[in-house]
Amino acid sequence: AQKVTQTQTSISVVEKTTVTMDCVYETRDSSYFLFWYKQTASGEIVFLIRQDSYKKENATVGHYSLNFQKPKSSIGLIITATQIEDSAVYFCAMRSSNTNKVVFGTGTRLQVLP
Amino acid sequence: GALVYQYPRRTICKSGTSMRMECQAVGFQATSVAWYRQSPQKTFELIALSTVNSAIKYEQNFTQEKFPISHPNLSFSSMTVLNAYLEDRGLYLCGARGQGYNNQAPLFGEGTRLSVL
Repeated sequence: AQKVTQTQTSISVVEKTTVTMDCVYETRDSSYFLFWYKQTASGEIVFLIRQDSYKKENATVGHYSLNFQKPKSSIGLIITATQIEDSAVYFCAMRSSNTNKVVFGTGTRLQVLP
Repeated sequence: GALVYQYPRRTICKSGTSMRMECQAVGFQATSVAWYRQSPQKTFELIALSTVNSAIKYEQNFTQEKFPISHPNLSFSSMTVLNAYLEDRGLYLCGARGQGYNNQAPLFGEGTRLSVL
């Protein structure tokens, strides 16, 4: 069975700094996708970025980037130049390529302070 | 762009009654729709997965008799919570995904928050 683990419950940073959120996953499948989402205070879940398991290059979208360490089954999310509006709960998730089922981690609450 | 709308945003129902929530995909064809419930602790529970041309698959602890789902076309899905009780409270989320390389991640709406009195 697949599993996604986020050990950091909550992180606080000062705005304009860089933050890294950790995520490790478990799967027996050789082909899979890794995702990061954020959930705003209203409950809305926003897709941020994705990493394909077969790609060695770390994905980057805007001020989000990933630190994909496949041998460690790790997919960290890096947010550079954080803004107050980045305050949210961030979820790591994965899906094997042969299924539509997505497994989520338990989330990391990020608070960006002025 | 591709969006998912979910409604109602909030609903309150009396214990033992039922309520229906809807999910609309805009800008893409939702070949796969997953319904989740998020607990107050933020944990996601997958209720069921509906894929076009396949039977709806319910996860353990969730049944069609309790959470009937309809996915009649590529832009719409609905789920009903029958005989809702306190343990059914939570944020219900619809995650929809289309086909193709660029559609690997499901998109979510804002969810339906269910309160039960």
